[in-house]
Amino acid sequence: NAGVTQTPKFRILKIGQSMTLQCTQDMNHNYMYWYRQDPGMGLKLIYYSVGAGITDKGEVPNGYNVSRSTTEDFPLRLELAAPSQTSVYFCASSDSGTGQFFGPGTRLTVL
Amino acid sequence: QQQVKQSPQSLIVQKGGISIINCAYENTAFDYFPWYQQFPGKGPALLIAIRPDVSEKKEGRFTISFNKSAKQFSLHIMDSQPGDSATYFCAARHNTGTASKLTFGTGTRLQVTL
Repeated sequence: NAGVTQTPKFRILKIGQSMTLQCTQDMNHNYMYWYRQDPGMGLKLIYYSVGAGITDKGEVPNGYNVSRSTTEDFPLRLELAAPSQTSVYFCASSDSGTGQFFGPGTRLTVL
Repeated sequence: QQQVKQSPQSLIVQKGGISIINCAYENTAFDYFPWYQQFPGKGPALLIAIRPDVSEKKEGRFTISFNKSAKQFSLHIMDSQPGDSATYFCAARHNTGTASKLTFGTGTRLQVTL
């Protein structure tokens, strides 16, 4: 039981490039979330999903897209990377929404 | 109304002392209040959580105190140890029935000295 896994661990992008951050959970959780963490700012919700095929925007969705074709996977897409997207990205999952289980994070730098 | 305010931003406590972190909220629709512990380079990990119908919850050295009328809750770490040095986040859940989202505080960096 690996919990929530995220790839890659680190990535450097040039402005305007695109990439997909991968997230997979093996706990059969319906709820999945993407957060970004900036120093001193806590965690901000980007997008979330309540089940396969259902996604919705969080607090800071601009510049990102998501899809949820299976219960296990919840990839986050950056289409045109900007320096403001330099951050640490965390994926999380939960069953009834009580305790969210977080992945180890992806540290993204946009230069 | 969705904000959760957390203080202090940083805290230094001697080994064996009590660490206290405070959070306040406005939205009375919040129905679940977890605390997360995060070590450098790692994801946040659920530490302890409380529901608003309970005034206190204790798990080992960690205690949450909850004051519903004041809309405040706090984390107490008794007999603080160097291994407790981490960043702590409070959070509050809003459950609409079709979605369940957490709002996080800005974090407290705790350092426990020898």
